[in-house]
Amino acid sequence: GQQLNQSPQSMFIQEGEDVSMNCTSSSIFNTWLWYKQDPGEGPVLLIALYKAGELTSNGRLTAQFGITRKDSFLNISASIPSDVGIYFCAGQLVGDSNYQLIWGAGTKLIIKP
Amino acid sequence: DTEVTQTPKHLVMGMTNKKSLKCEQHMGHRAMYWYKQKAKKPPELMFVYSYEKLSINESVPSRFSPECPNSSLLNLHLHALQPEDSALYLCASSQEYRIYGYTFGSGTRLTVV
Repeated sequence: GQQLNQSPQSMFIQEGEDVSMNCTSSSIFNTWLWYKQDPGEGPVLLIALYKAGELTSNGRLTAQFGITRKDSFLNISASIPSDVGIYFCAGQLVGDSNYQLIWGAGTKLIIKP
Repeated sequence: DTEVTQTPKHLVMGMTNKKSLKCEQHMGHRAMYWYKQKAKKPPELMFVYSYEKLSINESVPSRFSPECPNSSLLNLHLHALQPEDSALYLCASSQEYRIYGYTFGSGTRLTVV
């Protein structure tokens, strides 16, 4: 089936560092979404992107819809302990008549003590 | 009210039991979803209800039976489950199907023994 390649799989960072993660595919997407999931909770939508080239911020988070429509990145600036969790990208493929979301495998963010 | 409420939070059931998971939202959303999530994996879509009608069934085994009694409620009836069905079951809702600002519930952690 269709795949999103999300990287890195996990990140160990110091508090205060900037973080970057991305998702890529060989297919073209209409929509890119970034979610964060805390342990024992459901995913929470962070940023939604609907147009190629779109750059959107939500506080310390910034995400971009790649110009080729095949990728997206999420940046977190000045990380804090509550940023710990698993970040998922998800996208809706062009031409998918069921309008379903394809999910990346997740990036686990861990802050070094 | 901007929440999706799922009950119970945890459930342990035997392979011969019948149980139900419940989901409720009062945001006026007309699309509701059941997802299954295994540890360290992204959510997998099981069912989509749009305007209280089943729109998508992702080839889910018949031991899982969804029900949408009204626009605010979504149930998942479970019968004769297998240990490999143990997972986090997430309910989500959105304004309409094809609008991706899903709101997820906290999930039901299901263990089949």
